[in-house]
Amino acid sequence: EDKVVQSPLSLVVHEGDTVTLNCSYEVTNFRSLLWYKQEKKAPTFLFMLTSSGIEKKSGRLSSILDKKELSSILNITATQTGDSAIYLCAVMGIQGAQKLVFGQGTRLTINP
Amino acid sequence: NAGVTQTPKFRILKIGQSMTLQCTQDMNHNYMYWYRQDPGMGLKLIYYSVGAGITDKGEVPNGYNVSRSTTEDFPLRLELAAPSQTSVYFCASKQAGYTFGSGTRLTVV
Repeated sequence: EDKVVQSPLSLVVHEGDTVTLNCSYEVTNFRSLLWYKQEKKAPTFLFMLTSSGIEKKSGRLSSILDKKELSSILNITATQTGDSAIYLCAVMGIQGAQKLVFGQGTRLTINP
Repeated sequence: NAGVTQTPKFRILKIGQSMTLQCTQDMNHNYMYWYRQDPGMGLKLIYYSVGAGITDKGEVPNGYNVSRSTTEDFPLRLELAAPSQTSVYFCASKQAGYTFGSGTRLTVV
């Protein structure tokens, strides 16, 4: 059974700090790993990492996939209060329906 | 172009009642999904569909049913509501990437 584990489950930091969120996975026939940010409503897409694209960056956010260790990290530098959210990691296998298996999420709180 | 539309946004059900959560997408996507999210948890797949007339169970299908008579619509049916079904429900469709609806917050009392 495919499985995704995120750590830490909760993190509280001060504005301006740098944070690293972790995601480890077990999936049959890995296709991709996705990061989402969830505030009050639906998850919003951040990054997709695949075997051919193991590092992504957008502004203060970046993510790396380690296929050997079956894990990924999401880094946020110079955090702002608007970064407060739940960050979800999900993996997709090479099965026909392209279903996502999600981790529990990391609740990140940025204090001013 | 509305994307994925879910109705209702909120609902309170009594134990044993039934209801249908509606999901409609206007992007002509073949793949559609229903997920539930319990407090402090990630999303778990209930049912999915790869096209009209085709549905299959996900990780947590018990207590739910779905149908997919058209490409656009993928309703989720709860027949006998139980407190364990209190959750936030997200519908999603997929082409190149996932598009999520805004969610339905369901409370069963």
